[in-house]
Amino acid sequence: QMELVESGGGVVQPGGSLRLSCAASKFTFSRFGMHWVRQAPGKGLEWVAGILHDGYAEGYADSVKGRFTISRDNLKDTVYLEMTNVRRNDTAVYYCVREGGPTGLDFWGHGTVVDVSS
Amino acid sequence: DIQMTQSPSTLSASVGDRVTITCRASQSIDNYLAWFQQKPGKAPKLLIYKASILESGVSSRFSGSGSGTEFILTISSLQPDDFATYYCQKYETYPYSFGQGTKLDI
Repeated sequence: QMELVESGGGVVQPGGSLRLSCAASKFTFSRFGMHWVRQAPGKGLEWVAGILHDGYAEGYADSVKGRFTISRDNLKDTVYLEMTNVRRNDTAVYYCVREGGPTGLDFWGHGTVVDVSS
Repeated sequence: DIQMTQSPSTLSASVGDRVTITCRASQSIDNYLAWFQQKPGKAPKLLIYKASILESGVSSRFSGSGSGTEFILTISSLQPDDFATYYCQKYETYPYSFGQGTKLDI
């Protein structure tokens, strides 16, 4: 059974930093693009960042550009989201998501909670 | 950036009803449009990709149509399990933006 397991969430102060990790298993990780999608409490889904299967291109939402960095390690089957200068409105559940190419975002992790508060 | 707009935001319906949800893109996205279902406390579930292709294992009561800038999700004969929030999303080129969601309730 495929798995995406997020970790690294928690409480962080405004202006602080946090690194989320997502470990993949039971599929060939290096063949798939990966993304982070978040959902603030009571709000809709917001795409945050994506990275190609080989790591050679990334994309970001305007709301996180310059503050967040997505990266991946295809030897460890892991994708990361480095979050810096976090703001209160970055508080959300962060989902790690696989992109199946033409099928779009076809497999989701269970999410990790990030709470930006003092 | 391309903006995605869903309507309605909330939809009240009954078991057995046929409902439609519309998603509009601010410019053409060909058919790179996906639909997701989300229930409270759960991760979203992919229903349809490339505007009209049903994801494996998804009930045939769900169907999608459209291309370019206007897309429709249709649910025929609503079942109790279908009451959830639905999102459209454009993909293939960054940024992969979502619509604001449509909450389907009784």
